[in-house]
Amino acid sequence: QSVLTQPPSVSGAPGQRVTISCTGSSSNIGAGYDVHWYQQFPGTAPKVLIYGNNDRPSGVPDRFSGSKSGTSASLAISGLQAEDEADYYCQSYDNSLTAHVVFGGGTKLTVL
Amino acid sequence: EVQLLESGGALVQPGGSLRLSCAASGFTFSSYAMSWVRQAPGKGLEWVSAISGSGGAIYFADSVRGRFTVSRDNSKNTLYLQMNSLRAEDTAVYYCAKVKYHGSTYYYDYWGQGTLVTVSS
Repeated sequence: QSVLTQPPSVSGAPGQRVTISCTGSSSNIGAGYDVHWYQQFPGTAPKVLIYGNNDRPSGVPDRFSGSKSGTSASLAISGLQAEDEADYYCQSYDNSLTAHVVFGGGTKLTVL
Repeated sequence: EVQLLESGGALVQPGGSLRLSCAASGFTFSSYAMSWVRQAPGKGLEWVSAISGSGGAIYFADSVRGRFTVSRDNSKNTLYLQMNSLRAEDTAVYYCAKVKYHGSTYYYDYWGQGTLVTVSS
């Protein structure tokens, strides 16, 4: 059971917009800690997609955007493309004694 | 170009030990905290450990505390993860990742390709 909760899967047709939620609690996202997002293709290492809630590293298309409110965050992908099919993970920090860095369970995006 | 290259993954029996290495290049290694993150087959990412640039601050997940140790040799630009008393549930791909601070938290701006640890009899 991950500290941050993501839907196991989402899907959308090419060109559509999809969102992936990441729900935390008062000890992580709700405490004001930033949320970061990673994209992972099968058999490869994760790659940072969004950092600091809504900033994109150079090279990441502006089709990808992030937001945060309260104890939740979201990753939005607009103009969905076939090559966006991957797993997506959110990550934050938790100030409880039992965890340091926390990840969401991951969301599999399927492009129909 | 930043590169992180893990090695040391293997098949090991329950109760056994293993040491993973992560050779870093392309950045001033001693200036950056580093982490180990693992991923069990078909599962999500799990943070394992973090170590500051100097090695003076070290953190572990509850699931490995007391069994794993982390260290770094800044003269060799190498990060290590010593894993003892291994269990079946430690089976995973282990990634080393470079820490990038942002505000009050940090994220991982570079990852290695991972090394597979399999714990089985």
